[in-house]
Amino acid sequence: GQNIDQPTEMTATEGAIVQINCTYQTSGFNGLFWYQQHAGEAPTFLSYNVLDGLEEKGRFSSFLSRSKGYSYLLLKELQMKDSASYLCAVVDSNYQLIWGAGTKLIIKP
Amino acid sequence: NAGVTQTPKFQVLKTGQSMTLQCAQDMNHEYMSWYRQDPGMGLRLIHYSVGAGITDQGEVPNGYNVSRSTTEDFPLRLLSAAPSQTSVYFCASNQGDNLNTGELFFGEGSRLTVL
Repeated sequence: GQNIDQPTEMTATEGAIVQINCTYQTSGFNGLFWYQQHAGEAPTFLSYNVLDGLEEKGRFSSFLSRSKGYSYLLLKELQMKDSASYLCAVVDSNYQLIWGAGTKLIIKP
Repeated sequence: NAGVTQTPKFQVLKTGQSMTLQCAQDMNHEYMSWYRQDPGMGLRLIHYSVGAGITDQGEVPNGYNVSRSTTEDFPLRLLSAAPSQTSVYFCASNQGDNLNTGELFFGEGSRLTVL
């Protein structure tokens, strides 16, 4: 079967750095997305990786290793507004999205 | 910019009742989809459409119907509601006809409770 694994919950301190990991086993690979979802709201797009390496976008970076079936989302200079769930999703060989259950990130002052 | 608009935001149904969740997008997107989100689980695809007149089943289609008569609208119908359909439903659209072309744009969600 297809599977996406992410930690259920993480806690970090305002101003610090946090890395959220995602490992996947899917039938084929056509890209990996990260989405942010604040409580009670819709997911919003953060990043898309299809090639190995690091993509940087402001305070957020996303890394992909296709050979290891692994990605991480790196959040720097954490702010209270970064408290949210972070969803990892992989596009499989049939161009369908397989979603992880999400990582709830709690930011403490 | 309206983006993806879903209605209603909240709905309570009794077992056996039917209803339609409305979804409209004004971005001229070809791909539209319906997901349900349940605690502790990833988003699960119910039905999707790659263009007007074309629909297909996702991972959990039982108990739901869809139609795509126009590019803009993609309603989701619950035929005979069951407590297992209590969930938060999201409509989402994408510019291309497959998900290799970029981000999904989500509606605000519809929280459905079936008693």
